[in-house]
Amino acid sequence: KNEVEQSPQNLTAQEGEFITINCSYSVGISALHWLQQHPGGGIVSLFMLSSGKKKHGRLIATINIQEKHSSLHITASHPRDSAVYICAVFTGNQFYFGTGTSLTVIP
Amino acid sequence: NAGVTQTPKFQVLKTGQSMTLQCAQDMNHEYMSWYRQDPGMGLRLIHYSVGAGITDQGEVPNGYNVSRSTTEDFPLRLLSAAPSQTSVYFCASSDRGDNEKLFFGSGTQLSVL
Repeated sequence: KNEVEQSPQNLTAQEGEFITINCSYSVGISALHWLQQHPGGGIVSLFMLSSGKKKHGRLIATINIQEKHSSLHITASHPRDSAVYICAVFTGNQFYFGTGTSLTVIP
Repeated sequence: NAGVTQTPKFQVLKTGQSMTLQCAQDMNHEYMSWYRQDPGMGLRLIHYSVGAGITDQGEVPNGYNVSRSTTEDFPLRLLSAAPSQTSVYFCASSDRGDNEKLFFGSGTQLSVL
């Protein structure tokens, strides 16, 4: 049973394209996090959301609590955006993670 | 601030050996947690703590022990290593889990032979 589902699993884009990664969850949550993991393995937090929308540079994250769905958008994608993007939900005491979306941006 | 410091980065054990993975944070976070990351399975919670003296099990706790004697430190102990514990381990901390970002250590690549 997967509490968090992400799509797509793999994504290849041309530089400059608009990218969307989706996350659906089945548990009650108090927050949703988007994480980025580069090939070196380190994990960095991009956003923490409990409602609405957040923007940081070319990255935008949205959440719809009623539909239990979140999206991560990357505008004007760049090769340095190539990484694995992970959705994580916090239930109030535990985190559950999606298996990640592997993004490759080709110059 | 150093953030979350996790050691060691690499470790090779023989079956049956024990070891402790260290995790320390200097952000005065209440919430600390340990995860293992296996190919195709995503991060899975081993144990977590919501404050000093308080720990609880996550999804995959068997074979691991934790303690939280101080706010800063949250070590993970492998009691008797098994090949099934070969994985990449991450420690993470947050103030509460739902009021700010989650901060990760750099990871430990563990191989059990």
